[in-house]
Amino acid sequence: GQNIDQPTEMTATEGAIVQINCTYQTSGFNGLFWYQQHAGEAPTFLSYNVLDGLEEKGRFSSFLSRSKGYSYLLLKELQMKDSASYLCAAMDSNYQLIWGAGTKLIIKP
Amino acid sequence: DTGVSQNPRHKITKRGQNVTFRCDPISEHNRLYWYRQTLGQGPEFLTYFQNEAQLEKSRLLSDRFSAERPKGSFSTLEIQRTEQGDSAMYLCASSSGTGETDTQYFGPGTRLTVL
Repeated sequence: GQNIDQPTEMTATEGAIVQINCTYQTSGFNGLFWYQQHAGEAPTFLSYNVLDGLEEKGRFSSFLSRSKGYSYLLLKELQMKDSASYLCAAMDSNYQLIWGAGTKLIIKP
Repeated sequence: DTGVSQNPRHKITKRGQNVTFRCDPISEHNRLYWYRQTLGQGPEFLTYFQNEAQLEKSRLLSDRFSAERPKGSFSTLEIQRTEQGDSAMYLCASSSGTGETDTQYFGPGTRLTVL
């Protein structure tokens, strides 16, 4: 079967660094996406990885290990506005996205 | 690009009524997706279109749900004889359908409440 696992909730402090992990099992693999979703709003695209390694975009970085079926999203210099859910999604062989349930990130002052 | 738009943003209906939602994708995006999302869960795939052709429909989708994209531009999602379990956020996304990345961009969603 196809499955995405990520922690349900994490808490971090403003200004700190947090790493949100995601493991996936899919029928075929065509890349790993991370989306941010604020409460009551639609998901917004953050990053895409298809090759092993780290992709950096400002305060956000995403890492992929295809052999381990593992990805993480790294958020640096946390700001209060980063409080949101972070969704991990893997694209399968049919180019369909398989979604995790999301990790709710709570930022404390 | 003006982004993906959805109407209405909120819909309250009584059980047994029919509802229809509209999605306008990013112009020139060939692919259009419908998802349903409930609190604390990721988006659940419903169906997707490549231009006007409906290429895939979730096996979880009952016969009460139907979607169209008649001219390959906007799409409608209709739910007939609504049930309380249909209460959710209905999300539309579009993508260019080209290249390996094929990132999906989401609209603001339509929140459905069935009383």
